[in-house]
Amino acid sequence: QKEVEQDPGPLSVPEGAIVSLNCTYSNSAFQYFMWYRQYSRKGPELLMYTYSSGNKEDGRFTAQVDKSSKYISLFIRDSQPSDSATYLCAMIPSGSARQLTFGSGTQLTVLP
Amino acid sequence: ETGVTQTPRHLVMGMTNKKSLKCEQHLGHNAMYWYKQSAKKPLELMFVYSLEERVENNSVPSRFSPECPNSSHLFLHLHTLQPEDSALYLCASSRGGGGKNEQFFGPGTRLTVL
Repeated sequence: QKEVEQDPGPLSVPEGAIVSLNCTYSNSAFQYFMWYRQYSRKGPELLMYTYSSGNKEDGRFTAQVDKSSKYISLFIRDSQPSDSATYLCAMIPSGSARQLTFGSGTQLTVLP
Repeated sequence: ETGVTQTPRHLVMGMTNKKSLKCEQHLGHNAMYWYKQSAKKPLELMFVYSLEERVENNSVPSRFSPECPNSSHLFLHLHTLQPEDSALYLCASSRGGGGKNEQFFGPGTRLTVL
């Protein structure tokens, strides 16, 4: 079993739709949770960062962590064609500042 | 130049060649990383260099050899690679210390091994 599971998609939605991206994980030591966005031919860039359980909102993006279920989500409201990218979840266990464990990424296309 | 830069952006090499990938960060960070990204697979951490430590993923074959001459530069030396080594190689950097550890990525080198 992979430490972090992420549905690879591809996922296509119409412009304006609400998008839900998810990851599940098996290691209960994970404490820091991140979402990266990767455009074609570019490196990943940090989009959202959360620590432990709860919600965090930044504009049209909301990151949600449920540690009891070992499940994290990223919601995108009013999706735009410019949101088309691959979204990667990543996690860090407590006590290890450098060892990010990534999901395999979900490819999202927002159709105009 | 700003951020994290990588050269070359594309590389095609035969299995008997020797080549090197270069990464440079202009962010004042003191930790640098090499990742391998293959299609439909998670990013795989290959090497970490920081003031405090060098970390290697033990599953990385010895045909990949990292070099970090200072905190701003990182190299990945390649020799006698295999076709399955074809992938996107990403460099990243971060500030030292614990906590958030936001890693800033370069655009990657697309490597094809014939």
